[in-house]
Amino acid sequence: GAVVSQHPSWVICKSGTSVKIECRSLDFQATTMFWYRQFPKQSLMLMATSNEGSKATYEQGVEKDKFLINHASLTLSTLTVTSAHPEDSSFYICSASKQANTEAFFGQGTRLTVV
Amino acid sequence: GQNIDQPTEMTATEGAIVQINCTYQTSGFNGLFWYQQHAGEAPTFLSYNVLDGLEEKGRFSSFLSRSKGYSYLLLKELQMKDSASYLCAVRDRGVSSYKLIFGSGTRLLVRP
Repeated sequence: GAVVSQHPSWVICKSGTSVKIECRSLDFQATTMFWYRQFPKQSLMLMATSNEGSKATYEQGVEKDKFLINHASLTLSTLTVTSAHPEDSSFYICSASKQANTEAFFGQGTRLTVV
Repeated sequence: GQNIDQPTEMTATEGAIVQINCTYQTSGFNGLFWYQQHAGEAPTFLSYNVLDGLEEKGRFSSFLSRSKGYSYLLLKELQMKDSASYLCAVRDRGVSSYKLIFGSGTRLLVRP
């Protein structure tokens, strides 16, 4: 058990458009989901913590109006990159926990390329 | 705030043992995780420590000293497939929820 599916695995979009990334917990209910961004040869940087039914908590320096997070159900959280620019090109990874203080399971990641 | 430090790169020989260190500073420590990440893939869970001491799981062991803010990951009988990045992550008790903060990662190269 404890499978997290992320979709799409890769996406290429034009500058100025918006892209939605989905993160689903397939066999458990996730009260908490996390969104990370990873640039080449760097570690995972936490962007925001998303709790079902409430607003996401963003890390310092992350623009909440640019990176829209919705956690409408216990099995789905979405990250929308609005008005994407080439500097937003990165590897975006989600993780999900059954409860806030339990192990987090990672999705496969989404490689976003903005051209 | 939080601060997690680990070496940037390490090199070891196939069949040998390697120890990857991690030091951390955090205000709401609630456990330390080690993950393995191959290039272009998501991290995979290796180990978890919340109490002081050694946790052993096959070829991998992880140690934690909370008083020293120190952990290490020990890899035995190294194999070529162990070449990857190893991420130390601390779970921090934030204001409203727990969150997992990652170190910069250690790139391990295993040579024949």
